[in-house]
Amino acid sequence: GDSVTQMEGPVTLSEEAFLTINCTYTATGYPSLFWYVQYPGEGLQLLLKATKADDKGSNKGFEATYRKETTSFHLEKGSVQVSDSAVYFCALSDHAGGTSYGKLTFGQGTILTVHP
Amino acid sequence: ETGVTQSPTHLIKTRGQQVTLRCSSQSGHNTVSWYQQALGQGPQFIFQYYREEENGRGNFPPRFSGLQFPNYSSELNVNALELDDSALYLCASSLERAGFKQETQYFGPGTRLLVL
Repeated sequence: GDSVTQMEGPVTLSEEAFLTINCTYTATGYPSLFWYVQYPGEGLQLLLKATKADDKGSNKGFEATYRKETTSFHLEKGSVQVSDSAVYFCALSDHAGGTSYGKLTFGQGTILTVHP
Repeated sequence: ETGVTQSPTHLIKTRGQQVTLRCSSQSGHNTVSWYQQALGQGPQFIFQYYREEENGRGNFPPRFSGLQFPNYSSELNVNALELDDSALYLCASSLERAGFKQETQYFGPGTRLLVL
């Protein structure tokens, strides 16, 4: 079945440091890929998405490129801020086998803490 | 345009009781998906409703059931509550169209359920 694996956390960085959170996936079809962010006590917010190979999703300085050859969708940001502290989830949606619905399969989440 | 809303925000129940959680989808969306997020984990897909019918189901027992109403709002019902049902329950809405790939799912803030 489909699965998503995220790098082990938590990740602790100083403000303005470079961020990478690794995400790899397995899927039987051609999934769409997503990054969601969850702030303390809140639901999930869509951060960015990519729907086909080599697409780059970007938002608020975050970027991720859909790499079909390595089945990866790593999240990057050049300079993190304290306000970026949150839990980040990589997810995929797959319509393989002609399924009529697209459920999201999530990774386990990566906790990011940014210190001033 | 209103986002996804859920009620109640918090709930405490005892083992064996039944609970109903409610979700109003984002304006213009016709599909609602429900997810269970245990503490420290990624969300797990429970089921999806489209056109008032269950359109897909994850690995959850039949005591988890749902409804979708003509206005696309939805309910999640859980019977015979168990301690392990304690979690954040997330509702997500999307616009599904025949022949198109999965549209992005937008999440509500969630209902936190504690079973004692």
